[in-house]
Amino acid sequence: DSGVTQTPKHLITATGQRVTLRCSPRSGDLSVYWYQQSLDQGLQFLIQYYNGEERAKGNILERFSAQQFPDLHSELNLSSLELGDSALYFCASRGRGATPYSNQPQHFGDGTRLSIL
Amino acid sequence: GQQVMQIPQYQHVQEGEDFTTYCNSSTTLSNIQWYKQRPGGHPVFLIQLVKSGEVKKQKRLTFQFGEAKKNSSLHITATQTTDVGTYFCAGRRGSGYALNFGKGTSLLVTP
Repeated sequence: DSGVTQTPKHLITATGQRVTLRCSPRSGDLSVYWYQQSLDQGLQFLIQYYNGEERAKGNILERFSAQQFPDLHSELNLSSLELGDSALYFCASRGRGATPYSNQPQHFGDGTRLSIL
Repeated sequence: GQQVMQIPQYQHVQEGEDFTTYCNSSTTLSNIQWYKQRPGGHPVFLIQLVKSGEVKKQKRLTFQFGEAKKNSSLHITATQTTDVGTYFCAGRRGSGYALNFGKGTSLLVTP
């Protein structure tokens, strides 16, 4: 058990819809990362938050957004869903370090499997 | 932007054979991390390399960081069926940059 909790585990919805994925980091971790994993693209970094503020952006679509709340949990919002958005979405948190970009390892949750019909 | 390439994409070995996956970056890295993802699981941190030419061992696993800090390798000696999974390298360019994951090498070990 990594200590990172993601809900829901599975989500099935239709094209054009909007969903929210939730992540609770390990106790004490300030950084939260979101990744998308599909068969042909590997592990794609989407976005990072540190203590409530956005710190780094990767290949995140404009239809996607995220936020980190004062209690440090994070939500990833996916809107106007397309078939190609079907994937496994991971959240990871990282241990407290001197900077938002320090080198502690990331701890991944079990992921949310999103299926678009 | 920074690219981290991993080869091979897939590797199928007989139990007892050795296995190596290679990671190459287009830019110098400040550090590199390795993760393992079992089928149906999530990535789990294995190790971090920071110094040029660094070599670290974990039982049958040997990790190397290149002298130029642009490449790394993971070597598994005498593979076992428990080694099955996808191995990812992830490199960071430096302070202020996010970790970039390679696409991973999927290892299949048959008894």
